[in-house]
Amino acid sequence: DIVLTQSPGTLSLSPGERATLSCRASQSVSSSFLAWYQQKPGQAPRLLMYGAYSRATGIPDRFSGSGSGTDFTLTISRLEAEDFAMYYCQQYGISPWTFGQGTKVEIK
Amino acid sequence: QVQLQESGPGLVKPSQTLSLTCTVSGGSISSDDFYWSWVRQPAGKGLEWIGRILPSGRTNYNPSLESRVTISIDTSKNQFSLKLSSVTAADTAVYYCARDRAYFDTSLGYWGQGTLVTVSS
Repeated sequence: DIVLTQSPGTLSLSPGERATLSCRASQSVSSSFLAWYQQKPGQAPRLLMYGAYSRATGIPDRFSGSGSGTDFTLTISRLEAEDFAMYYCQQYGISPWTFGQGTKVEIK
Repeated sequence: QVQLQESGPGLVKPSQTLSLTCTVSGGSISSDDFYWSWVRQPAGKGLEWIGRILPSGRTNYNPSLESRVTISIDTSKNQFSLKLSSVTAADTAVYYCARDRAYFDTSLGYWGQGTLVTVSS
């Protein structure tokens, strides 16, 4: 299985700051098959990015994705109150699909 | 807008079979354009993909669960189901059903709200 390692585990930032979340894969992942999800307590995950770089419907442009091969990044350019949540990366190119363990973005 | 809703018992005894159904509204489950998936999440932990099915019946399962998992689909009811046999406390989790974002992209674009299943005697 492809193991996805996310870092940092927790990111403590203030509203308006930039957040940079990392997702590293144990083997190369096609950028076409790398997704990011946001999850708030008590809610289902919500798709943010697919194909590493493409925003899902309704996702604001302060969210952006980059990377290739084994290293991928989700960037939130200016954090807003509703962005404080858990974030997961996922690869869906090689079965079984796998998720990272998550990065929590919390208010500093 | 496609909506998914999980249903089933919230409590299952150890060694028994966990059975959940996902009811789809706002769209037909019959198109072979989309896979329909199950994902679970133990309390305070990360997400685990269980498996998926096409309306034609083609399935893919996570090898870690494959010996115990069956996913089926009933297009007449616009539902798909999960059965997990021989459950233990380690199977206690919130179970989500989900659908591909689009026919050419199998990221999980639509999710149910999730249902908590506790395995306990």
